Amino acid sequence: DSGVTQTPKHLITATGQRVTLRCSPRSGDLSVYWYQQSLDQGLQFLIQYYNGEERAKGNILERFSAQQFPDLHSELNLSSLELGDSALYFCASSVFPLGPLTDTQYFGPGTRLTVL
Amino acid sequence: AQKITQTQPGMFVQEKEAVTLDCTYDTSDPSYGLFWYKQPSSGEMIFLIYQGSYDQQNATEGRYSLNFQKARKSANLVISDSQLGDSAMYFCAMRGENYGGATNKLIFGTGTLLAVQP
Repeated sequence: DSGVTQTPKHLITATGQRVTLRCSPRSGDLSVYWYQQSLDQGLQFLIQYYNGEERAKGNILERFSAQQFPDLHSELNLSSLELGDSALYFCASSVFPLGPLTDTQYFGPGTRLTVL
Repeated sequence: AQKITQTQPGMFVQEKEAVTLDCTYDTSDPSYGLFWYKQPSSGEMIFLIYQGSYDQQNATEGRYSLNFQKARKSANLVISDSQLGDSAMYFCAMRGENYGGATNKLIFGTGTLLAVQP
């Protein structure tokens, strides 16, 4: 158990809908990262938050947004869902925003999103 | 740009034997970190081992060791005494440290599926 929690574990929804994925980082970690794992794109970095502020953006679609709350939990919002958004979404956390190379990211169990 | 290459889509190994999973990388960053993660069929990503580009010695963590060859830009994972529970997908990843615009994001390879046979 990495200490990172994600809910829900599975999510099935229809095209055009909006969903929210939730993540709680490990105790003491201030940085939260979101990654998407799909069959065609592999594991890709979406976005990073540190202590409530956005720190880095990756290949995140405009239909997707995220935020980190004062209690450090984070939510990833996916809207106008398409079939291609079906994937495993991971949240990871680490101590620093841009720390030493040893600052390991620990991953949550993931949320499997299926868009029908 | 950073890139991780894992050329072995799948590997078989007999229980109790050792296996090497290949990883090569490309980066222009002056220093960087290399990570291996394990993803069992249940889906979670489990951190295994870390190697820093300036580390003098190869990293080891229990049955996992990293064969780091900086000149060849390779960071192969060695699993000794393979167990049935080692059957999983293994991902190599890297983080770079550059001047300005650096992020903590991890760049992942495509993974190697390891099957341990009894």
